Amino acid sequence: QSVLTQPPSVSGTPGQRVTISCSGSSSNIGSNTVNWYQQLPGTAPKLLIYSNSQRPSGVPDRFSGSKSGSSASLAISGLQSEDEADYYCAAWDDSLNGPVFGGGTKSTVL
Amino acid sequence: EVQLVESGGGLVQPGGSLRLSCAVSGFTFSNYWMNWVRQAPGKGLVWVSRINSDGTTRKYADSVKGRFTISRDNAKNTLYLQMNSLRADDTAVYYCARIDFWSGSDYWGQGTLVTVSS
Repeated sequence: QSVLTQPPSVSGTPGQRVTISCSGSSSNIGSNTVNWYQQLPGTAPKLLIYSNSQRPSGVPDRFSGSKSGSSASLAISGLQSEDEADYYCAAWDDSLNGPVFGGGTKSTVL
Repeated sequence: EVQLVESGGGLVQPGGSLRLSCAVSGFTFSNYWMNWVRQAPGKGLVWVSRINSDGTTRKYADSVKGRFTISRDNAKNTLYLQMNSLRADDTAVYYCARIDFWSGSDYWGQGTLVTVSS
């Protein structure tokens, strides 16, 4: 059971917009910033979004993040076939005194 | 270029021990907290342990407390994870990672697979 809650899967057709939710609590998302990671099969997680909504250099602006209260969201606009991957949210947890992750969401392009 | 390269994984029997290493280059290793994160086959990411820049403060997930020990050698730019009393549910890919929530300077190794089985 992951500390942060994500839907197991999302899907969309090419060009569509999909969103992935991430629900936490006051000890993590409610009081700290959120990262989003993309993990392609057989590879390490790659940072997609940091500080709730910031994109590292090289990440397409099709990816955007937001946070409200104890929840966060990742949006993928103009869905492409290469966006088929697992996506994880993460946040610092004040109670655990360490980072916590969501269970991951598998994105499928139909 | 930042590189984190894990090694030391393999097949070990239940109750056995293994020591993972993570060689770091491309940033000033001695300035940063470092983490171990694991991922069981087909499952999500789970934080395991972290250590502060000079090695004096260590934190562990409850699932590994008392069995795993994190350490570092700043002269060798290397992070370690000593894993004792291994159980089947410790089977996972183990990643070393510099996790950052504020600046985007977040780096992960390629992972090393630990399989605990008789």
